[in-house]
Amino acid sequence: NAGVTQTPKFRILKIGQSMTLQCAQDMNHNYMYWYRQDPGMGLKLIYYSVGAGITDKGEVPNGYNVSRSTTEDFPLRLELAAPSQTSVYFCASSYPGTSAGELFFGEGSRLTVL
Amino acid sequence: KQEVTQIPAALSVPEGENLVLNCSFTDSAIYNLQWFRQDPGKGLTSLLLIQSSQREQTSGRLNASLDKSSGRSTLYIAASQPGDSATYLCAVKTNTDKLIFGTGTRLQVFP
Repeated sequence: NAGVTQTPKFRILKIGQSMTLQCAQDMNHNYMYWYRQDPGMGLKLIYYSVGAGITDKGEVPNGYNVSRSTTEDFPLRLELAAPSQTSVYFCASSYPGTSAGELFFGEGSRLTVL
Repeated sequence: KQEVTQIPAALSVPEGENLVLNCSFTDSAIYNLQWFRQDPGKGLTSLLLIQSSQREQTSGRLNASLDKSSGRSTLYIAASQPGDSATYLCAVKTNTDKLIFGTGTRLQVFP
């Protein structure tokens, strides 16, 4: 199993550009999450999904959009990139819909907006 | 709104010491609490998961406890080693399926 796969690993954007961070998991996990981590800080929840077709906002959703058309994929879209979105983005998934949900993380996507 | 705090923010100790890292949360209505390790420039690795009905979990030299009523969890590391140097994060799963992270404790164990 590949686990949680994020692409790209690194990206530089210009202000105002758009892009999509890809996240895929092959563990048949219902729950998926997107976080951002700023230098020296903890993780802030952007969006999450409890199953295909269902998404919900986290702590810092502004400037981002997500979709969940399949169980495996949970892409994060940045519209009109801003310097404040410079961060490391982590995707995570957990076991189907129980309270036992050990969380598995991807390796992260480092985004710089100039 | 659930808020998670970790104390201390940083810790530097000599090899061999026993350590306690603290995690506090404001809303006791949680499903579980999880401790993670993050090495510089890397993703997060799960260390221990404690269900809301449990009081503690152990894995090797690590022991995590949970006191829901007081909103606290501790991670105990026995006989610390330089390889334990990393940032340790706790996260709580809320009753709306959100996972909220603390700000982390940066640990350095020197020989």
